[in-house]
Amino acid sequence: DVKVTQSSRYLVKRTGEKVFLECVQDMDHENMFWYRQDPGLGLRLIYFSYDVKMKEKGDIPEGYSVSREKKERFSLILESASTNQTSMYLCASKIIAEGGDGYTFGSGTRLTVV
Amino acid sequence: AQSVTQLDSQVPVFEEAPVELRCNYSSSVSVYLFWYVQYPNQGLQLLLKYLSGSTLVKGINGFEAEFNKSQTSFHLRKPSVHISDTAEYFCAVSEALGAGGFKTIFGAGTRLFVKA
Repeated sequence: DVKVTQSSRYLVKRTGEKVFLECVQDMDHENMFWYRQDPGLGLRLIYFSYDVKMKEKGDIPEGYSVSREKKERFSLILESASTNQTSMYLCASKIIAEGGDGYTFGSGTRLTVV
Repeated sequence: AQSVTQLDSQVPVFEEAPVELRCNYSSSVSVYLFWYVQYPNQGLQLLLKYLSGSTLVKGINGFEAEFNKSQTSFHLRKPSVHISDTAEYFCAVSEALGAGGFKTIFGAGTRLFVKA
C-alpha cells in the first residue's frame, strides 16, 4: 500500500516562527497536496503539486508556501506563524491528477500556534 | 462542485442499528463522488467511490452508497453499525475544470457516534 508519512503528529510553535511541515510518500506519485482541516469546515486545499519543482495555489494559500525538490517529498512552510493557523494539517498524494482517483492521506499534523 | 453539503454534523446511533449519512452537492457538470472515513487521530481513508456505471457502490467495512443524479445526492449507508464505526465521515466531489484538471471539494464532515 502507498504510505504517506507526516514527520510530526503534534507541534507547538510561537507566533512569528517559521514552521516547516514535512510529508513523504513512498510510491511514485506525482501529485501531492496539503489540506488544513478545521471543525465544521471540512478540508480546505492550501497548495498542490503535480511534479517536482511545480506548485499551484489552492483555495487558501495566504500565509503559506511549499517546496517540492524531490518527487517523494512535499513540504508546507508557514512563513510567520499566526494563531489563526492553529489547525490540523493533512498531506495527501494520488497516482494521477484525473478526478476519479482517490487520495491517500497521511495521519496529519496537529499544529498549535501560541 | 460549487458546494458539498453534509446534512448532519453529528449522528448518534445504537450498535447494530442501520445508519444513513447524507450528502448533497451542487454542480453543473459530471462529477466523481467519494466517501472518506477518519478515525480518531488519523488521516482520512477512502471508503468508496462512484465514477460511473451502477449507481449503488459498495465499499469497505460493509458500507455502501447510492448516487442519485436527479437529486444530486450520494448518501452513505450501513445496515448494521458496530462500535468500531465511530468516526468522522467526509463526502467529497471531484469535477472537471474548464481549463483542464480536476477540483475536489470536501463536505464539512459527519461525526458518527455508535453507542452500546
